[in-house]
Amino acid sequence: EAGVAQSPRYKIIEKRQSVAFWCNPISGHATLYWYQQILGQGPKLLIQFQNNGVVDDSQLPKDRFSAERLKGVDSTLKIQPAKLEDSAVYLCASSFRGAGTGELFFGEGSRLTVL
Amino acid sequence: KQEVTQIPAALSVPEGENLVLNCSFTDSAIYNLQWFRQDPGKGLTSLLLIQSSQREQTSGRLNASLDKSSGRSTLYIAASQPGDSATYLCAVYAGNMLTFGGGTRLMVKP
Repeated sequence: EAGVAQSPRYKIIEKRQSVAFWCNPISGHATLYWYQQILGQGPKLLIQFQNNGVVDDSQLPKDRFSAERLKGVDSTLKIQPAKLEDSAVYLCASSFRGAGTGELFFGEGSRLTVL
Repeated sequence: KQEVTQIPAALSVPEGENLVLNCSFTDSAIYNLQWFRQDPGKGLTSLLLIQSSQREQTSGRLNASLDKSSGRSTLYIAASQPGDSATYLCAVYAGNMLTFGGGTRLMVKP
């Protein structure tokens, strides 16, 4: 079974530029999550999708971050414009029925460096 | 707001030791608790999932316990090996949100 796929693995940009990350969850997983993990800290939830609907985006900085999950499969996370403090690893995860009833499976992450 | 704390933040042990990692959470009304392993530069790998109705789960040399009333979970690693060196994260699901602790960085020395 293929795991959660993410790209790109690494991205370096200058502040005020834009960046986009892509995630393909495990086939059949209805729930998709984007997490931000700053070095030395645990992951923080940015947004959670159930199929193509948003379940929770309370911690997403909506003035600069956006995410979509068209057709309830792949998802993209965009940052525009980027700030220095956005340097982090962006992790995508998926689960079959949701974190309340099942395990989360993570991709290897996309490491963003903002200069 | 749920807060998850992991102690210690870092741990170094000689190979062969049994060890315990601790996780505490502030809101005991949880659905489940999950332990993850994270290797440097990698994503998270699920180790054990404990539902709120369960008290422990075992997988190989790993045993995780859950005490909801006291807001605590422990991950016990038996006969540690250098390959166990990684960061271990616990995450609690409550209120439709999965909240992570800051992790424990474990180094097992040969």
